[in-house]
Amino acid sequence: SQELEQSPQSLIVQEGKNLTINCTSSKTLYGLYWYKQKYGEGLIFLMMLQKGGEEKSHEKITAKLDEKKQQSSLHITASQPSHAGIYLCGADMTGGNNRKLIWGLGTSLAVNP
Amino acid sequence: GAGVSQSPSNKVTEKGKDVELRCDPISGHTALYWYRQSLGQGLEFLIYFQGNSAPDKSGLPSDRFSAERTGGSVSTLTIQRTQQEDSAVYLCASSASYSEQFFGPGTRLTVL
Repeated sequence: SQELEQSPQSLIVQEGKNLTINCTSSKTLYGLYWYKQKYGEGLIFLMMLQKGGEEKSHEKITAKLDEKKQQSSLHITASQPSHAGIYLCGADMTGGNNRKLIWGLGTSLAVNP
Repeated sequence: GAGVSQSPSNKVTEKGKDVELRCDPISGHTALYWYRQSLGQGLEFLIYFQGNSAPDKSGLPSDRFSAERTGGSVSTLTIQRTQQEDSAVYLCASSASYSEQFFGPGTRLTVL
């Protein structure tokens, strides 16, 4: 089984709707990174979370790391077609540095106009 | 440009041939990573370079795969005697110490 589970695998929403993507681990997350990937392109860094209970926002995207540091959620408010893509979470489970992140399989998001 | 660059962007080769993929990291970044991404699969870690330390090669799938990083900057991933299962997008990333990884656009490798 995957060390880092992402859910849902895919999501189709109507423009303007809110949505949440989850990233769950059975181990403590010392660092959790959210990236977005458009088809045929590299990964674009969104946010990094390290402290239990931490929450960060950028434009209409908010990411949270739970108090136990084993789950993170990515929430998009009032989705737009530009939000479409694959969202990936990567986790540092070794503590102390960011090498050899463990990656989820990604969540594919489509936003219908 | 200021980002990570990779070349070529696309490579089509015949089974059994050798290929070299190049990565130019962001200037000053001490860490460099190679990943492989296959359709429907997550990111598969291949190799990690950090400064002058010995690289972490634990993710290389076979001895046909090797990588070098010259002068602490440019890196080359070499795949010898390519097989069809090597077809994938090869992504390179670099980072400063204890910070997020910045990814290049990838090289799409197709082995016929």
